[in-house]
Amino acid sequence: NAGVTQTPKFRVLKTGQSMTLLCAQDMNHEYMYWYRQDPGMGLRLIHYSVGEGTTAKGEVPDGYNVSRLKKQNFLLGLESAAPSQTSVYFCASLSGQGPQHFGDGTRLSIL
Amino acid sequence: DAKTTQPTSMDCAEGRAANLPCNHSTISGNEYVYWYRQIHSQGPQYIIHGLKNNETNEMASLIITEDRKSSTLILPHATLRDTAVYYCIVGNKAAGNKLTFGGGTRVLVKP
Repeated sequence: NAGVTQTPKFRVLKTGQSMTLLCAQDMNHEYMYWYRQDPGMGLRLIHYSVGEGTTAKGEVPDGYNVSRLKKQNFLLGLESAAPSQTSVYFCASLSGQGPQHFGDGTRLSIL
Repeated sequence: DAKTTQPTSMDCAEGRAANLPCNHSTISGNEYVYWYRQIHSQGPQYIIHGLKNNETNEMASLIITEDRKSSTLILPHATLRDTAVYYCIVGNKAAGNKLTFGGGTRVLVKP
């Protein structure tokens, strides 16, 4: 009963490096979302997907790219990491009329 | 998307009911009211949601005013483990169900 799984849980990057965050869900959900949360603030939507092969921009999409090649996976990429992208990243999914289910987060530090 | 207004913080006594208010005066007819909470830095946890009728589940009750411009989340018997940040959010299921998180209410349950 895994739900939403995020990989990795922690990562430290140097400015300019690239990386991909993986979100996997085993609930056959159509919708998936990537949020970021900065200290003391609420979550902000980066990108989301309403189905396999589709993606859309959220509130703060700049500096990120996403892909949804498989229904169960939603990837978040940072092509050239910047210190301003230091944050906790949360993935969520939902299906139909249900609420969003969140993963435990990825803590990313960029030096 | 409609915005919400919540108190920044509130204290409540263990064993007592906790009433968390939320204003969403610009909510539109097809937007739901969702409540989530976040304990420490974990992923947000879904509590309850509703459209216009009052709702109750094993965690809480949601009271929505008749004009839908405000709502109250009720935790019937607060425990120390209910200490968390509580987010009131409005979302439109027809628009990708994107959620906009505000600052939330920081609830401290005291013994």
